[in-house]
Amino acid sequence: SQELEQSPQSLIVQEGKNLTINCTSSKTLYGLYWYKQKYGEGLIFLMMLQKGGEEKSHEKITAKLDEKKQQSSLHITASQPSHAGIYLCGADDYSGAGSYQLTFGKGTKLSVIP
Amino acid sequence: SAVISQKPSRDICQRGTSLTIQCQVDSQVTMMFWYRQQPGQSLTLIATANQGSEATYESGFVIDKFPISRPNLTFSTLTVSNMSPEDSSIYLCSVEDQEGAGGNTIYFGEGSWLTVV
Repeated sequence: SQELEQSPQSLIVQEGKNLTINCTSSKTLYGLYWYKQKYGEGLIFLMMLQKGGEEKSHEKITAKLDEKKQQSSLHITASQPSHAGIYLCGADDYSGAGSYQLTFGKGTKLSVIP
Repeated sequence: SAVISQKPSRDICQRGTSLTIQCQVDSQVTMMFWYRQQPGQSLTLIATANQGSEATYESGFVIDKFPISRPNLTFSTLTVSNMSPEDSSIYLCSVEDQEGAGGNTIYFGEGSWLTVV
């Protein structure tokens, strides 16, 4: 089965600093998703990557998927306290009628110090 | 940490029927969430299951279609009512566990893959 290794487990950064979170898969990814969760609010979908080499940005957050489709990174530029939360990568493995599985990393807890 | 047992893991359902998915956690947790994900799409939050009160539903999801129970801090059920092929999806329960100074951690059940025929 697919496994997602997410690093770092936790991160404390000064406001204004850049940071990167990584997500590595044991298998080629079909679809890679990045989510954010604040306490008690449920996961918020950030971005989805499907193609090798793909890069997407939303405001100050950029996500990339490598050419081999086994590693993704999430980069936050000029972090703000509003970026604090748990960041989670997820992947789905859908082989048509055969199987459909979801896998998640263990999450990265981000704190941003004003 | 929390270990979640979700069942059924897989089912094929007839159109018009209802199916209840169970989520059992091995420890007491405050926050429990129900999601669904269809192939090629992201997780979508259906509702937050509140212990002792009605669930809080997200836009586009209603109690009549997805009734939720949360009788205690370790258990919840989600029912998918009057199913149609559009309800074919993986349904996932998730909990958020406060772990003291370490912050919060998210845990997921293994998912229930429903196919409606």
